[in-house]
Amino acid sequence: QSALAQPRSVSGSPGQSVTISCTGTSSDVAPYRYVSWYQQHPDKAPKLMIYDVSKRPSGVPDRFFGSKSGNTASLTISGLQAEDEADYYCCSYAGSYTWVFGGGTKLTVL
Amino acid sequence: QLVQSGAEVKKPGESLKISCKGSGYTFTNSWIAWVRQMPGKGLEWMGIIYPDDSDTRYSPSFQGQVIISVDKSISTAYLQWSSPKASDTAMYYCARAPDDSRHFDYWGQGTLVTVSS
Repeated sequence: QSALAQPRSVSGSPGQSVTISCTGTSSDVAPYRYVSWYQQHPDKAPKLMIYDVSKRPSGVPDRFFGSKSGNTASLTISGLQAEDEADYYCCSYAGSYTWVFGGGTKLTVL
Repeated sequence: QLVQSGAEVKKPGESLKISCKGSGYTFTNSWIAWVRQMPGKGLEWMGIIYPDDSDTRYSPSFQGQVIISVDKSISTAYLQWSSPKASDTAMYYCARAPDDSRHFDYWGQGTLVTVSS
């Protein structure tokens, strides 16, 4: 199991949109609609932002949008706000009750 | 919620066991996963256990390196090392995956483990 590939960093100005990609393989992202995304602020526990590719838990703003095509999933954040600055991790189910995380992406709001 | 045990400082080779106590839901109906985060690094999925029957799965990277267990009578999952190494120094999180789901909806606050001579 290798980590899913994410860009190390992305940035955007307040109000703009950014997209974070997450590339896996035919063993994890591709065959399942079980990609989730987690937001982690410094020295805090991760927080679930998107699950099952595109579903949002209660309380997560609709500015957060998830999608998937083939072995690549994406998280798009629109209307960037200062509080969105954080690390973001994708995670994919890999079968047989195993999971794999992405390497993480640092989002900077300029 | 999930409440983890406090920070640990151990010497290499000293056995170590950290815990994660669930409350506010039916503990036996959800999987509990453990996730490692080394200093300044990303999240790594270590393994998962189903409290009802102790069915346990490990990442190949952690198989044989740690043991995940549970005591459902006190709604607590555990992560243990028989002989920790300095490279095990990290923050460890537990996280819940509700039955029939494939994501982690609630996370513990984390347990910082330091292994140093």
